[in-house]
Amino acid sequence: EPEVTQTPSHQVTQMGQEVILRCVPISNHLYFYWYRQILGQKVEFLVSFYNNEISEKSEIFDDQFSVERPDGSNFTLKIRSTKLEDSAMYFCASSDGGTFDYGYTFGSGTRLTVV
Amino acid sequence: AQSVSQHNHHVILSEAASLELGCNYSYGGTVNLFWYVQYPGQHLQLLLKYFSGDPLVKGIKGFEAEFIKSKFSFNLRKPSVQWSDTAEYFCAVYTGGGNKLTFGTGTQLKVEL
Repeated sequence: EPEVTQTPSHQVTQMGQEVILRCVPISNHLYFYWYRQILGQKVEFLVSFYNNEISEKSEIFDDQFSVERPDGSNFTLKIRSTKLEDSAMYFCASSDGGTFDYGYTFGSGTRLTVV
Repeated sequence: AQSVSQHNHHVILSEAASLELGCNYSYGGTVNLFWYVQYPGQHLQLLLKYFSGDPLVKGIKGFEAEFIKSKFSFNLRKPSVQWSDTAEYFCAVYTGGGNKLTFGTGTQLKVEL
């Protein structure tokens, strides 16, 4: 069964440093997403990406965040200057038709710890 | 804006006990509803989904959920849980626009032998 792959599984970074979280979506999927889950809180939508541009973003997704599809396979989330409150589990997801009949698959997440 | 509430944050059951996890949403229009499960160290997996039609939806691993529109609810049920059902369960709603999901806070289920 096709999977969404995220690397690394766990990243520790110092406050103020830049981090890049990587995702390899399912190859024939067209829509890509990032969600995050702060420990003990709900999974929150960050951003959706389609046709090489952001289609929607949440209030959380401020200027410190950016997404990119640098090649045909990777989808990255960059946090420019990390803050303690960015510590969370970050989930990448992809879907193929923009509707849920076609499936919406999550990766296993990257746990980001900012110290 | 839509929201999803899961009132049970931690549930502990013995094997073979019946399970019901509550999920309520706030949105007056058409919704698509989902239950996801996350086993320890693994990714979010879709258990079941409701788009339209029969409000009683059957999913994988013996789970089912009932959509009650008048109560804005989509509770998850399983008649007899197993130790392997120990996981975190998330209810989510899609209301259109951007294809984003709005999640509840999740319920940690622990099944004891």
